[in-house]
Amino acid sequence: EPEVTQTPSHQVTQMGQEVILRCVPISNHLYFYWYRQILGQKVEFLVSFYNNEISEKSEIFDDQFSVERPDGSNFTLKIRSTKLEDSAMYFCASRQWAGGDQPQHFGDGTRLSIL
Amino acid sequence: AQTVTQSQPEMSVQEAETVTLSCTYDTSESNYYLFWYKQPPSRQMILVIRQEAYKQQNATENRFSVNFQKAAKSFSLKISDSQLGDTAMYFCAVSYTGANSKLTFGKGITLSVRP
Repeated sequence: EPEVTQTPSHQVTQMGQEVILRCVPISNHLYFYWYRQILGQKVEFLVSFYNNEISEKSEIFDDQFSVERPDGSNFTLKIRSTKLEDSAMYFCASRQWAGGDQPQHFGDGTRLSIL
Repeated sequence: AQTVTQSQPEMSVQEAETVTLSCTYDTSESNYYLFWYKQPPSRQMILVIRQEAYKQQNATENRFSVNFQKAAKSFSLKISDSQLGDTAMYFCAVSYTGANSKLTFGKGITLSVRP
């Protein structure tokens, strides 16, 4: 079964540094998402992306965050100047088409640790 | 806005027994979708079961079934014949229909299956 893949599985970065988290969605999927889960807390929506632009973003997704689909297969989340509170698990998800019944398929996540 | 409440932080069940995980939600939409996701210690997010709000019939998927009470905005998950591999965090989530359809998650419940 096709999978969403995320790299790296664990990223350790110094506070203030830029980090890019990478995702390869399932190939025929059109809608892409990033979610964040701080340890011990619930999964929170960050941003959705369709047709090469952001569809919706949450309050968490401020100016330090950006997303890009640079080459038609990868979907990246960039955090420009990381803070300690950015330490979390970041999940990428994709969905084939519009329609809430279409489940979002999640990657295994990237654990981001900010020192 | 949509909210999801999972009021039980932890539950424990004996292997082979049945357990029910509770979830309530609030939404102003008439058409929406409900999901249960499982997150084992590896922290993947795995879809367990989904329910379309306009369907009266409760969804079932092998040992997993839901009790969907639309008027009460309740969506509980029943796990029959619990197995050790069911030990995980379980998240209830809701999404609207439409293009963006972000998932809004509850805080989750930690389920431990005892041998």
